[in-house]
Amino acid sequence: DQQVKQNSPSLSVQEGRISILNCDYTNSMFDYFLWYKKYPAEGPTFLISISSIKDKNEDGRFTVFLNKSAKHLSLHIVPSQPGDSAVYFCAASASEGANNLFFGTGTRLTVIP
Amino acid sequence: GAVVSQHPSRVICKSGTSVKIECRSLDFQATTMFWYRQFPKQSLMLMATSNEGSKATYEQGVEKDKFLINHASLTLSTLTVTSAHPEDSSFYICSASTGRGYYGYTFGSGTRLTVV
Repeated sequence: DQQVKQNSPSLSVQEGRISILNCDYTNSMFDYFLWYKKYPAEGPTFLISISSIKDKNEDGRFTVFLNKSAKHLSLHIVPSQPGDSAVYFCAASASEGANNLFFGTGTRLTVIP
Repeated sequence: GAVVSQHPSRVICKSGTSVKIECRSLDFQATTMFWYRQFPKQSLMLMATSNEGSKATYEQGVEKDKFLINHASLTLSTLTVTSAHPEDSSFYICSASTGRGYYGYTFGSGTRLTVV
């Protein structure tokens, strides 16, 4: 049972434009959400997170939006850069510090120069 | 920053043999390490949580006798796949916690296991 879903396996965006990666979840107990970035042959690296008490968190070019009623979150990257090309995973947990992170299947972002 | 080294990156073994995967925290002490498994086009699934000096906690459906986890020191955890079968072929990845919440979760680069 996939509790965290990333329905778009891939996304291509022109350099300088906005990249929007989407993530949906089914478990209403999730209250902490994270995005990880993964390059080939490397482990995922933490990118940005958001707690359910917020609907937006911004860090430089990266902004995560959370819509709890829709059980949906999105990652916006603007402006997109070629170095952003990677696989992006969203993850969710029932509480910060809980061991079990539930991951989505990932979205491969390609930023075209 | 925190670095986790995972070795080997790729391994091919014959059915029935055992394979050991190492996960080392290079510049920090990891009291907790996590082992994940990823099938093609699927998400990372937590297999087990290992704490230094104690038995690992396995997630439901993960055979503890097949996937042996040892966390003998604060910098090393190992996953041994015993009596490997072709269905064990997968991508295994470890993560170590620096104890600073999710910001402190550092992942290894993963191990691609192929059982023939």
